[in-house]
Amino acid sequence: EEQLVESGGGLVKPGGSLRLSCVASGFTFSNAWMSWVRQAPGKGLEWVGRIKSKANGGTIDYAAPVKGRFTVSRDDSKNTFFLQMNSLQTEDTAVYYCATGRTFDFWGQGTLVTVSS
Amino acid sequence: DIQMTQSPSSLSASVGDRVTITCQASQDISKYLNWYQQKPGKAPRLLIYDASNLETGVPSRFSGSGSGTDFTFTITTLQPEDIAAYYCQQSDNLPITFGQGTRLDLK
Repeated sequence: EEQLVESGGGLVKPGGSLRLSCVASGFTFSNAWMSWVRQAPGKGLEWVGRIKSKANGGTIDYAAPVKGRFTVSRDDSKNTFFLQMNSLQTEDTAVYYCATGRTFDFWGQGTLVTVSS
Repeated sequence: DIQMTQSPSSLSASVGDRVTITCQASQDISKYLNWYQQKPGKAPRLLIYDASNLETGVPSRFSGSGSGTDFTFTITTLQPEDIAAYYCQQSDNLPITFGQGTRLDLK
């Protein structure tokens, strides 16, 4: 059974950093495209960034609001997908989900990031 | 960026009703339109991919249609467990963008 488990969320001050992890199981992680999607409290879904599989070039893309501050990476040996978030702003407060596949076939349960002084 | 305009933003319906949600893209996205269901406090769930393909395990009362810029999502016979928010999403061009969502509740 496919499973994605996010961790690493928490409370951080503006300007701070946080690293989220997404551990995958139940499918061939190395073949999967992986994305981060966030949802601010009471708001809709916003795509954050994506990394393709190495077989598809390992291309990384970001949404404009996070480009230059956030970094997506993967460790296929550990079936883990990461989101390094630097220079955090209050508007980055959200539940962060990892999702797999071109069509976001499966999602983790999410991890809450709160940016507040 | 491709803007996704979803309507209505909220909808009240009764069990057994036919429910329709529309999504319009600001430019041609071919068939690359997906629909997700999100229940309160839960992660989204893929229901329909590439405009009209039913994801494995999703009940057949859910369906999608359309291509180009205009898409429709339908629940043929609303069930109580369908109460949720629904989002369309285009995966044709980066950045990937979502509609603003439709909140469906029981009348």
